[in-house]
Parts: sequence; C-alpha cells; structure tokens
Amino acid sequence: ETGVTQTPRHLVMGMTNKKSLKCEQHLGHNAMYWYKQSAKKPLELMFVYNFKEQTENNSVPSRFSPECPNSSHLFLHLHTLQPEDSALYLCASSPRRDSGDIQYFGAGTRLSVL
Amino acid sequence: AQTVTQSQPEMSVQEAETVTLSCTYDTSESNYYLFWYKQPPSRQMILVIRQEAYKQQNATENRFSVNFQKAAKSFSLKISDSQLGDTAMYFCAFLDRGSTLGRLYFGRGTQLTVWP
Repeated sequence: ETGVTQTPRHLVMGMTNKKSLKCEQHLGHNAMYWYKQSAKKPLELMFVYNFKEQTENNSVPSRFSPECPNSSHLFLHLHTLQPEDSALYLCASSPRRDSGDIQYFGAGTRLSVL
Repeated sequence: AQTVTQSQPEMSVQEAETVTLSCTYDTSESNYYLFWYKQPPSRQMILVIRQEAYKQQNATENRFSVNFQKAAKSFSLKISDSQLGDTAMYFCAFLDRGSTLGRLYFGRGTQLTVWP
C-alpha cells in the first residue's frame, strides 16, 4: 500500500452518463495529480493540484472536470465521455509539486466507456 | 519537450538471473531526476529507484541498481537475483527539477516476466 486510495477500481459507463472518480491520500501531501494510462501509450499527465489550487491542465477536454476540495481528496468528474476515453486513470500525490519529490500512486480506476 | 524512450517492449529472465532494462531520454536541462517505477498486475505503480542527475554515483536499492550515463542520456536498470515477484511493467520516468509543474515524463514501459 502506498497510502493513496482510488475508488472505484472498475467503472463501466455509457457515453451519456455522469460519474466521478475519487482519490484519497493519507500521507499529508500537498500536491495531487491525475494521469491517464492508455494501452501502448506513455502515461499522460492530466491535472496537477498544489495546495488545492489547480496549477496544470494538460490540454484535457472539458468532459473531464477535476475537483480538489482539500489536500487529501481529489475527484475527477466525467460526463459525455467517448469510447477513446477508456483507460486506466491513476492518481498520485507528493509532498510538494516540485523539487523532485517522489510521487506515490494509487492502484487506478479502470474505466470502460461503452 | 522531454522524451523518454524504452526500446524493449518485453523481456524475460529466469529466476535468480540478472536482467537489464534500457532507457534513454532527451532533454536540454541539466538538473533533473530520473526514476524507475514498476507496475505489477495489481496496477499499483511503485517506485523502484531514483537518481539525481547531479550525482555521479549510481543509485542502488538492494537488488536494483542503475547505470546512469549523463552524457549519453542513458539510464538503465539492473535487477540482480531476479524473483518471481519482480514480474511487472517497468517504467522509466524523467522530472525536470527546474520545472514548477512537477510533471513526470514516462516511457512506454517494458513488460518483464520472471520464469521459475
């Protein structure tokens, strides 16, 4: 266990559904990240939050909407997704956003969009 | 932009043997970190080892060691005395210390299988 918990582990949704992914870290970290892991592609950074403020949006479509109510919780709200959005979504946290701090990852949510 | 290349999509090794995974990267920065992460079937991405670019000494963590060649921009991972539990996808990653974004750049990964 890395101290980063993601729920649900698996999610199947239709293109018209609205769902949310949740990430919680118990490490006292101040930075949290969302990554997308697609088959045969490198992990892609989606969003970065530092002290609850979004500091990076890596050209992510608006159908993905992040929320960080506090330093321990991070959500990814999903709506009107496309089949190509099917992937493993990984959450990570680190003590700070920069300085090479190690990022600790959750086990991910496997998302399938039908 | 930083790029990380892992040229070996798959590798296999017999238990107790040694295996080396390759990684090259491209950057114009001089101050950065390099990482190896493993992702077993449980999907949990776990840090294996970290190397600071300004340190000439190669990092070592028990059975895991790296060969860091800064001039050649090469960062290979050596696993000694391979164990069945080492079976996983291994990712090489780069982080620019001068960046305030904290963005990790990953390679495509190498699937390592350890056979009994």
